[in-house]
Amino acid sequence: DSGVTQTPKHLITATGQRVTLRCSPRSGDLSVYWYQQSLDQGLQFLIQYYNGEERAKGNILERFSAQQFPDLHSELNLSSLELGDSALYFCASRPRGGSSGELFFGEGSRLTVL
Amino acid sequence: AQSVTQPDIHITVSEGASLELRCNYSYGATPYLFWYVQSPGQGLQLLLKYFSGDTLVQGIKGFEAEFKRSQSSFNLRKPSVHWSDAAEYFCAVAGGSYIPTFGRGTSLIVHP
Repeated sequence: DSGVTQTPKHLITATGQRVTLRCSPRSGDLSVYWYQQSLDQGLQFLIQYYNGEERAKGNILERFSAQQFPDLHSELNLSSLELGDSALYFCASRPRGGSSGELFFGEGSRLTVL
Repeated sequence: AQSVTQPDIHITVSEGASLELRCNYSYGATPYLFWYVQSPGQGLQLLLKYFSGDTLVQGIKGFEAEFKRSQSSFNLRKPSVHWSDAAEYFCAVAGGSYIPTFGRGTSLIVHP
């Protein structure tokens, strides 16, 4: 158990819909990262938050948005869903004072768009 | 820009045999290098990391990796593989941005 909690574990929805994925980082961790894992793209960095503020953006579509709340949990919002958005979405947190790249991952949220 | 190449998509070994998974990275300065493992249905777990110092680093589950700057490589090794090692292995590189870039992964298959 990494200490990072993601919900839901599985989600099936239709094209055009909107979903919200939730992540609770490890206790005490201020940084939250979102990654998308798909067969054709591998693990792609989407966005990073640190203590409620956006720190870095990766290959995140404009249809996607995220935020980190004062209690440090984070949500990834995916809208106008397309078939190609089907993927495993991971949240990870970095230990306070942790080294660059050292992350603890949740078990992921598997999104299926039909 | 930083990048990672894992040349082998699949590797098959027999239980008890030795293992080496290859990783080549691209980064302009001294990199932070990592190996993560992903078991089916699980998230990624850190196996080991290299920041500086001794180029041979030890990790969990009996794994080790060697940093070779001249070859821009960070290969993962294990002297004797167990069936429970079957999983997907990811090499990653990070720098001052604190955002790791992952390779495409190598799937390890262990035959009894």
